[in-house]
Amino acid sequence: DQQVKQNSPSLSVQEGRISILNCDYTNSMFDYFLWYKKYPAEGPTFLISISSIKDKNEDGRFTVFLNKSAKHLSLHIVPSQPGDSAVYFCAATETSGSRLTFGEGTQLTVNP
Amino acid sequence: EPEVTQTPSHQVTQMGQEVILRCVPISNHLYFYWYRQILGQKVEFLVSFYNNEISEKSEIFDDQFSVERPDGSNFTLKIRSTKLEDSAMYFCASTRDSKRRGYTFGSGTRLTVV
Repeated sequence: DQQVKQNSPSLSVQEGRISILNCDYTNSMFDYFLWYKKYPAEGPTFLISISSIKDKNEDGRFTVFLNKSAKHLSLHIVPSQPGDSAVYFCAATETSGSRLTFGEGTQLTVNP
Repeated sequence: EPEVTQTPSHQVTQMGQEVILRCVPISNHLYFYWYRQILGQKVEFLVSFYNNEISEKSEIFDDQFSVERPDGSNFTLKIRSTKLEDSAMYFCASTRDSKRRGYTFGSGTRLTVV
């Protein structure tokens, strides 16, 4: 099942710089996209979401961009902090249901 | 902040045994879910539950699986006859409305089938 794909298994950035995490999808029925953060031994924690009728949503240091024509979304974290080090999952859901389809995750490491 | 609570945190069971994973969703939430993550793989949807019945289930959720909300607070996942490939992290989640807000996930139960 490759409907949601995160091609970068890992990303390393310096504290204070921007982190950009990418996600691609193939299912045209997806109409809502979410980003989750996961620390070891914890469940995923909701970060930010975006509806397919928008191309940008911002919440504090986190901004999600959606390019529907390219079926691509990205999460920007600026400035990055060491506490942001975690696995980040992109997820999507269809109009007709509520199940989340997840990507593989990207391990973000923010170095002090 | 309200939490989704899952017990136990780790369960070891013999192949062929029944196992029940327990979850206490957030009290005013209406939609409940089970997901699982096999080591090294994606988080996968198993089932959603609303108004005391299954609203959606995946291909993984076959006759060996069942869910129940026995007493208005607990939400359980039963696996009748466990297989080695059922070994995974199982996450319970809940949400107040169906999908437009991020779910709240529990910390998970690590199920190991030996």
